[in-house]
Parts: sequence; C-alpha cells; structure tokens
Amino acid sequence: AQSVSQHNHHVILSEAASLELGCNYSYGGTVNLFWYVQYPGQHLQLLLKYFSGDPLVKGIKGFEAEFIKSKFSFNLRKPSVQWSDTAEYFCAVGRTGTYKYIFGTGTRLKVLA
Amino acid sequence: EAQVTQNPRYLITVTGKKLTVTCSQNMNHEYMSWYRQDPGLGLRQIYYSMNVEVTDKGDVPEGYKVSRKEKRNFPLILESPSPNQTSLYFCASSPGTTLYEQYFGPGTRLTVT
Repeated sequence: AQSVSQHNHHVILSEAASLELGCNYSYGGTVNLFWYVQYPGQHLQLLLKYFSGDPLVKGIKGFEAEFIKSKFSFNLRKPSVQWSDTAEYFCAVGRTGTYKYIFGTGTRLKVLA
Repeated sequence: EAQVTQNPRYLITVTGKKLTVTCSQNMNHEYMSWYRQDPGLGLRQIYYSMNVEVTDKGDVPEGYKVSRKEKRNFPLILESPSPNQTSLYFCASSPGTTLYEQYFGPGTRLTVT
C-alpha cells in the first residue's frame, strides 16, 4: 500500500538547536511533496513544497527540505529552531496528475525556551 | 480575505443523529477535500471533489457522504454517526491536482457519544 512515514513522532529541542524531521514515501513514479505545519489550536499551513527542479527547496520561517529521489525521502530541516516553532509537522505526498494526497502521521515538535 | 470556512467548529452529538458539517471556500478552487485527524494517525482523506458534481472516495470514506452542488461548498454528511467518528475534521481546497498546495479550514471537533 502507498504510504508516507514520519519516523519521529515526538521531538524535543532547546532553542537554537538544529532540526531535521524525516519523511519517507513508498510511491513509485512522479510525486509532489509538501510539508505543512499546525500550530497549537490552528489549522494546517504550508511550509514548503517540491514539484520539480532543484531538490533543495526553501520555505517560510527559515525551513528547508531536500528531496532525495533514490531514498524516497523529503526531510525537513531548520538550522536553528525557536520557541515559536513548537507545532506539529506533517509531510504529504501526492502523485502527479492525481487528486489524492497521503499525509504522514505527523511529528510533534516542542522547543524549550 | 481568501479562506476556507467550516461550521460548526465544535459539535457534540449522540449516536445515530444525522449531522452535516459545512465547508465553504471563496477562492474559486476546483478541488475540495475532507480529512479527519486522529492522534497517532495523522490526517486521513475521507472524500474529495475535483469539481462540481464530481466526487471520489479517499482512504476512509465509510460512514460519510458528500455532495458538491456548487463550486464553493462541499458539505460532509454523517447519516448515522458512531463514536468511532469522534475526531477533528478539516476541509481543504486547492486550484486543482496535487500540483497545488491545499488551503485548510479551521477544523471541526466532533464528539459522538
């Protein structure tokens, strides 16, 4: 079955620490990749997306992600986290040309001030 | 302001009592979708619609119905709610296929007793 895996379910970091959240998917073929963030009590917002071209994409708030096709991965990174980055992060994958998205189970990030 | 709205935001109901959660978008988007969010399971797609009168099942459609009679509205109907449908529900819209990011509504927290 097609799936999206986020192996880190809970991450706790201190401010200024570096962040890397893993995302792996099991689709074959061409995919569109997304990272969304959900701040406490809020709806999901787009952090960044990848469709084609440069596999290193930059998003809002200093986040970036790297698409490694050979590893079916799209990991999210931030060099230095802030307390305000405390949120739940979701990786999502959609097969190109379709209308179906599959979301990962999410990673809860807590940043300690 | 471009947005996706959902009503109600909170709902407590009893088993078997039919309910409808409304979703409306003002961005003239063709694509709309419903998700449920459960702890440890992330977001799972219930139904989606590619355009007016065109809908399809997502990964967890059992117990739900949808309709798309107008482009802006995509209501979610629970004909006979059961406790296992207690969840947080999100509506989303986008301009088209998975090439585009989705815009999410604020969520509806449903409790079925």
